[in-house]
Amino acid sequence: DADVTQTPRNRITKTGKRIMLECSQTKGHDRMYWYRQDPGLGLRLIYYSFDVKDINKGEISDGYSVSRQAQAKFSLSLESAIPNQTALYFCATSDSAGIVKQYFGPGTRLTVL
Amino acid sequence: AQSVTQLGSHVSVSEGALVLLRCNYSSSVPPYLFWYVQYPNQGLQLLLKYTSAATLVKGINGFEAEFKKSETSFHLTKPSAHMSDAAEYFCAVSEAGNQFYFGTGTSLTVIP
Repeated sequence: DADVTQTPRNRITKTGKRIMLECSQTKGHDRMYWYRQDPGLGLRLIYYSFDVKDINKGEISDGYSVSRQAQAKFSLSLESAIPNQTALYFCATSDSAGIVKQYFGPGTRLTVL
Repeated sequence: AQSVTQLGSHVSVSEGALVLLRCNYSSSVPPYLFWYVQYPNQGLQLLLKYTSAATLVKGINGFEAEFKKSETSFHLTKPSAHMSDAAEYFCAVSEAGNQFYFGTGTSLTVIP
């Protein structure tokens, strides 16, 4: 089983709809992240969380919100989706101990029409 | 502030030729540096990381990278390209392992 899972893997929605992307991890890590990937722009950080009670905005948080329901779960919401939020979204986790590195989920491809 | 610049959004090499993917970073403190690979329709997978130990870092699949502080570079190399190396490669920097900043990526094509 994958260590970091994302649901759904693909989603097509319409402008103005509310969308939730979910991420779950079995690695026992305390840190979780949401990124979006756009062609030519690499990965940009949306939100990150260092524990259940800690939520931080990243580089491009406008139009997004998150919820850390448990150590293992971190959800990303688009309250009112717009077409320029069409992108590939990745969840990642990392451990705070030692030399941290990130583990990525398989991604969610979101299309907003 | 931290940032990463990857020179060349697309690189093509012949099978068996040297692979060189360039990464320059900016950081106000000694950084952690990473190279990730992304195969089509997959997430990112760590190739290697620099954490202030040896400046030459060996990773998976025959890749290695050398940290050069004077040049603020962390270029990725592989002596002999294989068809299976075709993928997108991302360089990333982190100060103290909190936030990670990614480059815009380099797409590697391997020509048979």
